[in-house]
Amino acid sequence: GENVEQHPSTLSVQEGDSAVIKCTYSDSASNYFPWYKQELGKRPQLIIDIRSNVGEKKDQRIAVTLNKTAKHFSLHITETQPEDSAVYFCAASASQGGSEKLVFGKGTKLTVNP
Amino acid sequence: DAGITQSPRHKVTETGTPVTLRCHQTENHRYMYWYRQDPGHGLRLIHYSYGVKDTDKGEVSDGYSVSRSKTEDFLLTLESATSSQTSVYFCAIGIIRTDTQYFGPGTRLTVL
Repeated sequence: GENVEQHPSTLSVQEGDSAVIKCTYSDSASNYFPWYKQELGKRPQLIIDIRSNVGEKKDQRIAVTLNKTAKHFSLHITETQPEDSAVYFCAASASQGGSEKLVFGKGTKLTVNP
Repeated sequence: DAGITQSPRHKVTETGTPVTLRCHQTENHRYMYWYRQDPGHGLRLIHYSYGVKDTDKGEVSDGYSVSRSKTEDFLLTLESATSSQTSVYFCAIGIIRTDTQYFGPGTRLTVL
């Protein structure tokens, strides 16, 4: 089955710097890669996702890149702000036309220092 | 919040007692999921459902059962709770068109 590795487990940056979180996956059939942000005590919230037919996707200060050959994808946050502090999870699934099972990485705790 | 609610939001129970958690959605989504979240493990799939009375096991299904008799409700049951089942449980719904999943607010379960 699918296995998703996420690095680093913790990341501390200064406000205004960029943050990068990387994930690798094992199943070459995986074709959907979402990222979730989870603030303390809250539910995971979808922030961006990418499909295997796209190499990069941007939404304001966040972007995700996908390298299918190497089977890894990354989340990039630019101009970080204290409100970006949270735990971020990557996930992968092999969609076959339905809403398929997601396999999650173990999470990255991002701290943005003012 | 995709119209998802979970009940109860917090529960403390004793080892050996049965526990049922409820997930309710208001938007008629076909796919529903139960995850547990533990420090250092991320989110792990327990069971999922792809329609009324259609369910299947996930990665960590041992000790759990589910039922879905109506589209809007997906129940997770711990037949005999153990301390290892102390966790935060999240329900999610899946959007078929986009493959995206949206989570409920979670239930914090403590088994003493």
